[in-house]
Amino acid sequence: GDSVTQMEGPVTLSEEAFLTINCTYTATGYPSLFWYVQYPGEGLQLLLKATKADDKGSNKGFEATYRKETTSFHLEKGSVQVSDSAVYFCALSDGGSYIPTFGRGTSLIVHP
Amino acid sequence: GAVVSQHPSRVICKSGTSVKIECRSLDFQATTMFWYRQFPKQSLMLMATSNEGSKATYEQGVEKDKFLINHASLTLSTLTVTSAHPEDSSFYICSAPDGGKQETGELFFGEGSRLTVL
Repeated sequence: GDSVTQMEGPVTLSEEAFLTINCTYTATGYPSLFWYVQYPGEGLQLLLKATKADDKGSNKGFEATYRKETTSFHLEKGSVQVSDSAVYFCALSDGGSYIPTFGRGTSLIVHP
Repeated sequence: GAVVSQHPSRVICKSGTSVKIECRSLDFQATTMFWYRQFPKQSLMLMATSNEGSKATYEQGVEKDKFLINHASLTLSTLTVTSAHPEDSSFYICSAPDGGKQETGELFFGEGSRLTVL
């Protein structure tokens, strides 16, 4: 079945540092890929998405590129802020069922 | 974008009582809603799929008699935790696919409900 593997956290960075959160997936079809973000005490919200190979999703300075050859969708940001501290979930949705498969989440802590 | 709202955001109850959590889609119709439970250290567990006008589909290992789900209309699904015990304390989150974007797999999430059972 489908699965998503994220790097374990927490990831701790200083403000303005470069961020990478790794995500790899296995899927039988051609899934859509997502990054969701969860701020403390809140539900999840969509951060960015990509629906086909080589697509780049971007939002709020975050980017991720759908790499079919490496089955990856790594999240990057060039300069993190304290306000980016949150839990980040990588997810996929295979065309046959729109119920997404989530990774376990990666906590990001950004210090001033 | 589409908005999903949950209520209450926090609830504390005594052991043995029942608690109802509501999930509403505010600006779109949701024939399907999903209920998740979030455990410590973040991981999300899909509990059940709520279907408007029919019975919910529960994931393996989730007690359907304990976690009652009702999808009464195209904009409302409820989760009732019956005879709650301290081990049911958790963060419960609902979500729904916006009908127009259903094929992409994108979900819209409620704010979550923190249940504490004393």
